Amino acid sequence: GENVEQHPSTLSVQEGDSAVIKCTYSDSASNYFPWYKQELGKRPQLIIDIRSNVGEKKDQRIAVTLNKTAKHFSLHITETQPEDSAVYFCAASRPGGYQKVTFGTGTKLQVIP
Amino acid sequence: EAGVTQFPSHSVIEKGQTVTLRCDPISGHDNLYWYRRVMGKEIKFLLHFVKESKQDESGMPNNRFLAERTGGTYSTLKVQPAELEDSGVYFCASSQDPLLSREKLFFGSGTQLSVL
Repeated sequence: GENVEQHPSTLSVQEGDSAVIKCTYSDSASNYFPWYKQELGKRPQLIIDIRSNVGEKKDQRIAVTLNKTAKHFSLHITETQPEDSAVYFCAASRPGGYQKVTFGTGTKLQVIP
Repeated sequence: EAGVTQFPSHSVIEKGQTVTLRCDPISGHDNLYWYRRVMGKEIKFLLHFVKESKQDESGMPNNRFLAERTGGTYSTLKVQPAELEDSGVYFCASSQDPLLSREKLFFGSGTQLSVL
């Protein structure tokens, strides 16, 4: 089955700096890569996703990149703000509809004001 | 629109006891999933319902776990008897239709289960 590895497990950055979280996946058939953010005491929520037919996707201060050959994808947050502090989970799933989403172990991001 | 709701938010039980977790998905979402996160580890898949049918239960740890979704609406996850290693946060999520590339998972707030 799919295996998703995520690094780092914790990340502290100064407000205004950039943060990068990296993930690798094992199943070359995976084609959908979502990122979920879980703020303290709240539920995980989808913040951005990317499909294997594109290499990069941006949404304001966040962007995801995908390297299919190397089987890794990354989340980039620019101009970090205190409200970006949360646990971020990457995930991967295969095509074909009812394929389970496999999550990484999470990255706890702390943005220091 | 109401989100995914889970009950209870916290449960503290002793080893050997039984606990039942409930999940109400977003109305109209046929797909319902149970996940579990043990401290510091991944959000691990347990099982997936499509309406009332179990589509994939490959993540269920053992036969002490029983999930049901009678009528295709809310779902329950029962652990009987509970063991120490069952402690963690149990998340429920629902989605519209993965077959139509609507895979976005809408999570509930989770049930924090502590087995003492």
